[in-house]
Amino acid sequence: GENVGLHLPTLSVQEGDNSIINCAYSNSASDYFIWYKQESGKGPQFIIDIRSNMDKRQGQRVTVLLNKTVKHLSLQIAATQPGDSAVYFCAEVISNFGNEKLTFGTGTRLTIIP
Amino acid sequence: NAGVTQTPKFQVLKTGQSMTLQCAQDMNHNSMYWYRQDPGMGLRLIYYSASEGTTDKGEVPNGYNVSRLNKREFSLRLESAAPSQTSVYFCASSADSPAEAFFGQGTRLTVV
Repeated sequence: GENVGLHLPTLSVQEGDNSIINCAYSNSASDYFIWYKQESGKGPQFIIDIRSNMDKRQGQRVTVLLNKTVKHLSLQIAATQPGDSAVYFCAEVISNFGNEKLTFGTGTRLTIIP
Repeated sequence: NAGVTQTPKFQVLKTGQSMTLQCAQDMNHNSMYWYRQDPGMGLRLIYYSASEGTTDKGEVPNGYNVSRLNKREFSLRLESAAPSQTSVYFCASSADSPAEAFFGQGTRLTVV
């Protein structure tokens, strides 16, 4: 039968190189965005977030770029390490009268080649 | 520091069987959540509990029930399992905002 397993976009990067993972969103009303890392057999882990009124935010070895014109978000990981191998996905957050609603993307599988 | 603990980690059920997924957090968080994660789809919220004593439906509540037993524990029950409920289930907790949630390691459930 058809393999409906994890047909995620994949990205393979040589250890030490930089990687860029992309995410498209559709809702202009999003208040902020979050990037998660999910290692095999584990739950998602918060990496970094960015407010919708920002274009760029930097963390430790990670940079988020937000282009509201084309509704695109990217996560750049510098000097990748084997421990960066995981699935990365974004989420958009919309706040409505104090309640926050998250919509999660499907993710990209990043593999670091030693 | 355990964080969010889910049990069991793996489970196989026959169609029509029932079971309860357990979740406990030790961070004194007010809010707890149950998500399911399916291939090719993002996480989807099943139910959440904003505080002890309250529960609310999320995006995909049909076929599930929840109980916020106390501040620490939030269980998810499948009364009559169906193959469509085959998924990986994640429990999460947060002080307030779901965007600040910590996730458990997941329960992989297969319904045959």
